[in-house]
Parts: sequence; structure tokens; C-alpha cells
Amino acid sequence: GAVVSQHPSRVICKSGTSVKIECRSLDFQATTMFWYRQFPKKSLMLMATSNEGSKATYEQGVEKDKFLINHASLTLSTLTVTSAHPEDSSFYICSASTLRGTEAFFGQGTRLTVV
Amino acid sequence: GNSVTQMEGPVTLSEEAFLTINCTYTATGYPSLFWYVQYPGEGLQLLLKATKADDKGSNKGFEATYRKETTSFHLEKGSVQVSDSAVYFCALTMNYGGSQGNLIFGKGTKLSVKP
Repeated sequence: GAVVSQHPSRVICKSGTSVKIECRSLDFQATTMFWYRQFPKKSLMLMATSNEGSKATYEQGVEKDKFLINHASLTLSTLTVTSAHPEDSSFYICSASTLRGTEAFFGQGTRLTVV
Repeated sequence: GNSVTQMEGPVTLSEEAFLTINCTYTATGYPSLFWYVQYPGEGLQLLLKATKADDKGSNKGFEATYRKETTSFHLEKGSVQVSDSAVYFCALTMNYGGSQGNLIFGKGTKLSVKP
């Protein structure tokens, strides 16, 4: 299957700082990327959907000014957690799919810890 | 709303044991159902899927049957191996044709297989 690389796999940051997470499709063009987060002992929850070259669509309850998503190219989407707080500590995972594809390919996830 | 409930882990089995991981869903309509697997340090990978009632998905010795009458999609394998140790996620989507854009996940079940 296609490969999606997510970086970093783990990050620890201080409260109030911003953190950027990258999601790259290595061997295909990802017209659509999805960002999920998972709290401990909870399900993965969709945060937002981004299509290349357009603004991301956020799920209800997700602050778009806090979780900035950029999908400027067909192989890269970034999620920036701005002014991070301890409650933002979570597991973030991206997935990517092609224009006509029915399968989404997942990155390995990023464990964010805000101290 | 739509949701997925899967059995809590961790599940610990001996090699060659029979595996069942229960998954039930709630959906307003006719979802497509999926099992994903996440091996340590890797992203989620699609294990199998079923897009309509009575379909059976199978892959790598794993099977799951879409049971509309019991709203279930239990994962089974007749003889597990140490290499099957991973976290397993049940998921659904209401997307037409089963495209995996907007997935609703269960919490995941960690499986450990001992030699």
C-alpha cells in the first residue's frame, strides 16, 4: 500500500508554545488529508478534513484558530497546535487519500505532550 | 449519532489460540465497516472491510462478518501468532461506496500474543 509519513513521532513542548506536525504522502498524490486525535482510553476522533489548495473543514467543537491546518501541496499537510496547553496533550494521526481512491492511508501518529 | 464500541483490552493470548475481538456499531443508515491494525511504531493499516450486510471481510487469516441484525462486526482469527501483536481498531463510515474519508473509530484493543 501507499506510504504516509508523519513527523515527529513524539514531541514535548512547553505550555504556550506552538508545535507543527507534518504529514507527507511519499509515493502518491494526496488530494485529501484527514487529521484525527485520540485521548487516552478514547476513540480516534476526526478533527478536520483538508483538500489541497483550499481551507480545511473542521469538525464541530474543534477550534480552527488553535489547530491550524495547511495543505499547500499534494504531498504535504501540516497541523500546527498554537499556544499549546496541557489539555492539548494527545495522540494526533493523519490519513491521506487520492482523488478517486476509496482507501485512506495513515501516518504512524504523533504523541504530543505539553508540560 | 453514529458510534463504534469494541471490547476493552488488553487481550493476552498464547500462540495458536483463537482470537475474537468484539465490535458493535450504532448507525443511522447503512455504514461500511472496517478493521484497522496498528503495529508498534507504525501507522494504522487497513486489515479488512465489508460494505454491506452479510459481507465477510478477510485478510491474513483474520475474518469479520457484517451482521446487520446484531449490528456487529466481530474480528476473528483461528490461530494467532506472535507477529499479530498490535492494536486493532474497528471503524465505520457513512461515506458512499465505503470511501474511508470520515471514519468513526472504536477505542482500539491491544492484543499481545505470547510464544
